[in-house]
Amino acid sequence: AQTVTQSQPEMSVQEAETVTLSCTYDTSENNYYLFWYKQPPSRQMILVIRQEAYKQQNATENRFSVNFQKAAKSFSLKISDSQLGDTAMYFCAFMTYNTDKLIFGTGTRLQVFP
Amino acid sequence: DGGITQSPKYLFRKEGQNVTLSCEQNLNHDAMYWYRQDPGQGLRLIYYSQIVNDFQKGDIAEGYSVSREKKESFPLTVTSAQKNPTAFYLCASSMAGEFTNSPLHFGNGTRLTVT
Repeated sequence: AQTVTQSQPEMSVQEAETVTLSCTYDTSENNYYLFWYKQPPSRQMILVIRQEAYKQQNATENRFSVNFQKAAKSFSLKISDSQLGDTAMYFCAFMTYNTDKLIFGTGTRLQVFP
Repeated sequence: DGGITQSPKYLFRKEGQNVTLSCEQNLNHDAMYWYRQDPGQGLRLIYYSQIVNDFQKGDIAEGYSVSREKKESFPLTVTSAQKNPTAFYLCASSMAGEFTNSPLHFGNGTRLTVT
């Protein structure tokens, strides 16, 4: 069975600093996608970034970037220049090519303070 | 604007009653999903449907039922057999098919409280 593990229940960072959220996953598949979703206090789920497993280059979206280590099955999210609006729950998620089924980790609560 | 509508935002029911949560999308997406969110447990998949008139159980389907009679609609019924129905329920949709990397689009959720 595929699983996603987020080992940091809570993290905090000062505004303008950089923070890295960890995620590991377990699968025997070779083709899959990885995602980071953000859930602010409004509880709306927002896609932050995605990575295709066949791509070696790490995905980036403005201040958000990932460190994808396929052999280690690791997919961490780096947030640069943290902003107060980044305060949210962050979920790592995994999907294999042929299932359309997204599996989530338990989430990391990130608090950005002034 | 295209999107996913879940209604109502808050729902209260007495124990022993069935309750149906609504989910409608106008994104022309083939696949629809129901997730349950509890504190400390992330999102867990209840049911999903990749095409009209077909659906599959997710990881925690017991005590729930769904239907997919129309592409736009995927209602979830929480039955009296669900032992701990109080939770936040999220509906999502995406373009289905192999090798798709279409991300899920989520509704705003329904908070169900059963007393």
